[in-house]
Amino acid sequence: KQEVTQIPAALSVPEGENLVLNCSFTDSAIYNLQWFRQDPGKGLTSLLLIQSSQREQTSGRLNASLDKSSGRSTLYIAASQPGDSATYLCASMNTGNQFYFGTGTSLTVIP
Amino acid sequence: NAGVMQNPRHLVRRRGQEARLRCSPMKGHSHVYWYRQLPEEGLKFMVYLQKENIIDESGMPKERFSAEFPKEGPSILRIQQVVRGDSAAYFCASSPPTQSGWTQYFGPGTRLLVL
Repeated sequence: KQEVTQIPAALSVPEGENLVLNCSFTDSAIYNLQWFRQDPGKGLTSLLLIQSSQREQTSGRLNASLDKSSGRSTLYIAASQPGDSATYLCASMNTGNQFYFGTGTSLTVIP
Repeated sequence: NAGVMQNPRHLVRRRGQEARLRCSPMKGHSHVYWYRQLPEEGLKFMVYLQKENIIDESGMPKERFSAEFPKEGPSILRIQQVVRGDSAAYFCASSPPTQSGWTQYFGPGTRLLVL
């Protein structure tokens, strides 16, 4: 069964810093990997989706990478802003059409 | 195109009562998924449904929980005789019949509190 781990559980950085969030998974037979953002009391917003055949995806200040062989993905956020404060979730989709989620990294960007 | 809709957004029940959570998928989507997020835990898959069919219910507790997605109307997640441990956020997601990439679009969730 797939297990997804996110480190660190919480992160606090000053505004303007670049940062990296880490995600690891135990079963490399994934269909895709997706990064989500969750604001308190809200639903999930999809940020980036990386297919199993891809190495990375970029959207604005966000860049996500995928290394299936080592079972790792990273989310890079450039020039962080207070509005980036949220919980970031990593999820893998294996066969069976269900996402396996990590417990998330709670990010606080200090103005 | 409205996103995935869930109602109610917040639900309070006393132990032993029933909870009914509704999910309306995005227009044109015929696949629905339910996930549960317990306090301080990650989202966990519960069940995957297509119209009138349960495809995968491997994440559903064996007792008290049931789900349906009728031909007409929203998908319903039903919890009978709720207990305090059922307090959680329940998220619904939907996807279209065919797609590349297999992504899912999530609703805002229903927060269930059992007193």
